[in-house]
Amino acid sequence: LAKTTQPISMDSYEGQEVNITCSHNNIATNDYITWYQQFPSQGPRFIIQGYKTKVTNEVASLFIPADRKSSTLSLPRVSLSDTAVYYCLVGDYNNNDMRFGAGTRLTVKP
Amino acid sequence: DSGVTQTPKHLITATGQRVTLRCSPRSGDLSVYWYQQSLDQGLQFLIQYYNGEERAKGNILERFSAQQFPDLHSELNLSSLELGDSALYFCASSATGTGFEKLFFGSGTQLSVL
Repeated sequence: LAKTTQPISMDSYEGQEVNITCSHNNIATNDYITWYQQFPSQGPRFIIQGYKTKVTNEVASLFIPADRKSSTLSLPRVSLSDTAVYYCLVGDYNNNDMRFGAGTRLTVKP
Repeated sequence: DSGVTQTPKHLITATGQRVTLRCSPRSGDLSVYWYQQSLDQGLQFLIQYYNGEERAKGNILERFSAQQFPDLHSELNLSSLELGDSALYFCASSATGTGFEKLFFGSGTQLSVL
């Protein structure tokens, strides 16, 4: 199981782009990278998943370099409602153990 | 709405007691995961079931047990409760329980042990 490392916390201001990086040096060939968002007192919510290069959806973009040892979640033009904890997970179809790390606590200020 | 239903939403009980938390997965999902989240421990994976069978076990205490029934709903049983068991308990489901599947979380059960 690839271990992930993320910053504990980040601060930003409304309207800015936020980039949260996750390190996963031991990522395996078959591993995918998945990001979740959790608001206080709510269950985590899937944001985005990728394997390599770049993935974009209506909420975020995920950038994965060629060596795949890290990934960056990019949130464009954040608002106060993006204040949440963001988790990076790495796993493949053989990994049945879905452990969440400490996540990154993003605080968006007005 | 994730489609995962957890009951009850809140539970207040005393030390030494036993409680049961219930989870109904999304329609069609075969796998259920249980997580515990307390203020100082973050989101801790407890256990996973797939189609009635235990598939993975995390940091689940011996005082805790779970099962998944033929209709795929799951129950988490917590016994001999201690103050430190006070936490938010989440259930999640996924289609087949593989590592890269999207997990859908319920809204949680807030357990308070007094």
